[in-house]
Amino acid sequence: GAGVSQSPSNKVTEKGKDVELRCDPISGHTALYWYRQSLGQGLEFLIYFQGNSAPDKSGLPSDRFSAERTGGSVSTLTIQRTQQEDSAVYLCASSFSSGGYNEQFFGPGTRLTVL
Amino acid sequence: AQSVTQPDIHITVSEGASLELRCNYSYGATPYLFWYVQSPGQGLQLLLKYFSGDTLVQGIKGFEAEFKRSQSSFNLRKPSVHWSDAAEYFCAVDSGGGADGLTFGKGTHLIIQP
Repeated sequence: GAGVSQSPSNKVTEKGKDVELRCDPISGHTALYWYRQSLGQGLEFLIYFQGNSAPDKSGLPSDRFSAERTGGSVSTLTIQRTQQEDSAVYLCASSFSSGGYNEQFFGPGTRLTVL
Repeated sequence: AQSVTQPDIHITVSEGASLELRCNYSYGATPYLFWYVQSPGQGLQLLLKYFSGDTLVQGIKGFEAEFKRSQSSFNLRKPSVHWSDAAEYFCAVDSGGGADGLTFGKGTHLIIQP
């Protein structure tokens, strides 16, 4: 079956612009995660969705970051007024349900470059 | 809060040689432990995981890892590496029942010499 897909694969934007990153989880997976991978910080957990429940936003780096998940499926990570430090690869993962024993399947990522 | 340490940033081994990548974690109870591999331009692929039971776990691509509670370690091993094993390897821990995401180490970059 299809894996986790993310779009776009690459995004170049100018400082101050808003960007939207999309994640399509594996069908039937109720848990969805966003991570950020950068040279300086490594892999950081950003936010988690379980079904349609409201997420815990405390892991988001700043209030310029927001995320939503519609219909318990597709998720969008939005970064407003992008800064150069936002340049990173943004990874999405999904799992069958929450619970640490459930394997997270990762998408290929979106590489964001802020000029 | 939990943390994961991978002390080796780079490791170079010859093709056919054995491999051990080190991972130490910090967490009060027994966490869920994972090893992921990331090839250039690719997403993360799960190699193996430990939840409970037998402390030696087998994974894909001929990898295994051993959980040692006394040393808070979960080292990854392979008896004979292949050139295709060149990649970035990440150890990770999940102690929040999934809701806190995975905490990753900084990664070990594996280079294979012919």
